[in-house]
Parts: sequence; structure tokens; C-alpha cells
Amino acid sequence: AQSVSQHNHHVILSEAASLELGCNYSYGGTVNLFWYVQYPGQHLQLLLKYFSGDPLVKGIKGFEAEFIKSKFSFNLRKPSVQWSDTAEYFCAVGRGLTGGGNKLTFGTGTQLKVEL
Amino acid sequence: DVKVTQSSRYLVKRTGEKVFLECVQDMDHENMFWYRQDPGLGLRLIYFSYDVKMKEKGDIPEGYSVSREKKERFSLILESASTNQTSMYLCASSFRIADEQFFGPGTRLTVL
Repeated sequence: AQSVSQHNHHVILSEAASLELGCNYSYGGTVNLFWYVQYPGQHLQLLLKYFSGDPLVKGIKGFEAEFIKSKFSFNLRKPSVQWSDTAEYFCAVGRGLTGGGNKLTFGTGTQLKVEL
Repeated sequence: DVKVTQSSRYLVKRTGEKVFLECVQDMDHENMFWYRQDPGLGLRLIYFSYDVKMKEKGDIPEGYSVSREKKERFSLILESASTNQTSMYLCASSFRIADEQFFGPGTRLTVL
């Protein structure tokens, strides 16, 4: 079965610090990759996604992620975090586009706290 | 704008009760999903549906069932609620099975 690992469970940063959250997955074939964010009291929303093409993907609010196929990784980055980035971040992986077996698998999430 | 709505934000039930959680999406999506979200465990898939009346078990289907009689509506049923089903329940929908999913606000269920 496919698995998705987010190694950092809790991250605390000061404002303006740089952020990198790790995401690794186990499936070796074609993948669709996602990062979702859940702000306190709000529903999950998409930050960015990768299906194909340029492995460096830019999303909303200054976030970006890089797909490194050889490392089975899709790490999320932001050069300078803000207090409003305090949230829980989830990586998700889907295998291709068709077939019931290709539903998304989510990581366990990383709780980010940004201190003023 | 895709909208996924869930019938309740908060629900308190007693052990043994039958519980219905309703989810409606307005974007004509084929696929709908039910997850539970628990601290440290992330999102775990309970059931999903890829068409009306079609369903498949997810990773943790035990103690749950689902119903999809209409394309826009996907219901999660707890036949006999237990305290270990206290959790946040999230509904989502997507156009294709491995595509971006759109989430509802969640239902926080407490079983006493």
C-alpha cells in the first residue's frame, strides 16, 4: 500500500524565518502531488499541486514545492513565514488519474506555529 | 466556486445511537469521500464513492456505512456509535479520483 510520510510533526518558527516541510511517498510510478493547509477553525484548502511538467511548483501565499522524483519527495518551502501561516499542513499523493485505486493518500500532517 | 457543505458543525450523540452525517457538493463531481481527522493521525479515508450507488471501502471502514442515492449527496452512517468514533469528520469531492479534492468544513462528533 502507498504511504506518505511527513517527518516534522511540530515546527515552531519566528516570523521571517524560512520554512521547509518534508514529504516523502512510497509509490514508484506516476504520481499527483498536493499540499493542503488547514488554518485554525477553517476547512482544508489547496496550497499547490503537481501533476507534470516543471518540478518546481508555485502556490498561493508565497509557498512553493519541489518534486524530486529520485528522492520520492515533494517538500514545501516558503522563504519568509508570517504569523498568519500558523496552521496544519498536509501532503497528499495520488497515483495517476484513473481507477478507483488511485485515490489520494494523506500524510499525518505538520503543525506549524509562527511566533512574533 | 466549488462548495461542499456538511449538515452539522458540531454533533453530540450517545453510545449506541445511529448517527447520520450528510454532505452535499454543488459542482457535479463524480467522486466523494469521507475522512476522519484525528490529532497525530492525519486524514484517514473511511469510504469513497465514484458514482451514484457505487462505493468502496477506504482504510478504516469498520463501524461505518455510506449511502449515495444522488450524485450531489454522500451520507456517512454510524450504525451504533461508540466513544472511539469521537472525531472530526471531513467530506470531500473531486472531479477525477486522484485529482484535487475540495473539502467541507467538517463535523466534530462527540460520542458520550
